[in-house]
Amino acid sequence: QVQLHQWGAGLLKPSETLSLTCAVYGGPFSSYYWSWIRQSPGKGLEWIGEINHSGTTNYSPSLKSRVTISVDTSNNQFSLNLTSVTAADTAVYYCANAAKVGATTWFDPWGQGTLVTVSS
Amino acid sequence: SYELTQPPSVSVSPGQTATITCSGVDLGNKYASWYQQKPGQSPVLVIYQDSQRPSDIPERFSGSNSGNTATLTISGTQAMDEADYYCQAWGSSPVVFGGGTKLTVL
Repeated sequence: QVQLHQWGAGLLKPSETLSLTCAVYGGPFSSYYWSWIRQSPGKGLEWIGEINHSGTTNYSPSLKSRVTISVDTSNNQFSLNLTSVTAADTAVYYCANAAKVGATTWFDPWGQGTLVTVSS
Repeated sequence: SYELTQPPSVSVSPGQTATITCSGVDLGNKYASWYQQKPGQSPVLVIYQDSQRPSDIPERFSGSNSGNTATLTISGTQAMDEADYYCQAWGSSPVVFGGGTKLTVL
């Protein structure tokens, strides 16, 4: 059964770069896409982007200019970098396994979440 | 950009049926998924591909999708089902989530 564990800095200053990493355990890393999703305090879910084992990425158009998702297949890990953060980027960030079949995608399981706060 | 609309809140009495809707243009021609999120926890998938249920999700959870509306139905709702529920579809974003519905069991 696939499990995800994520980590990264939880407090940033404006203009800094957010960096998070997610490790995948117990599953075929090469068989899926791997996503980052965030949730602002008291708000809904926002998809950030995804990557597969080959390094193929897709990003949300609204964040594309600031986001990089990378993969480390030797360690079954993938990472998120978000540059030039502002207070609007304060959120809980989740990594998730993205299952794709034809024209659909769903997310299962999810990591435990990391609260990232941007404050001067 | 594609949008999914959910009612902010739904209330149900224990043992009754809860219905949560998710509306989007031509949503019936896409696949919808549903997630349950309890306070302080990560979301959990409860329905995928409109009506498929993961093996560890109780049978009282079911889903459907037609026209412009996807529906999550919880039969015999229990107190433990009180949570936020989010729909999700593959759209032009390409991934879109609904704004969430708070289900209250009272």
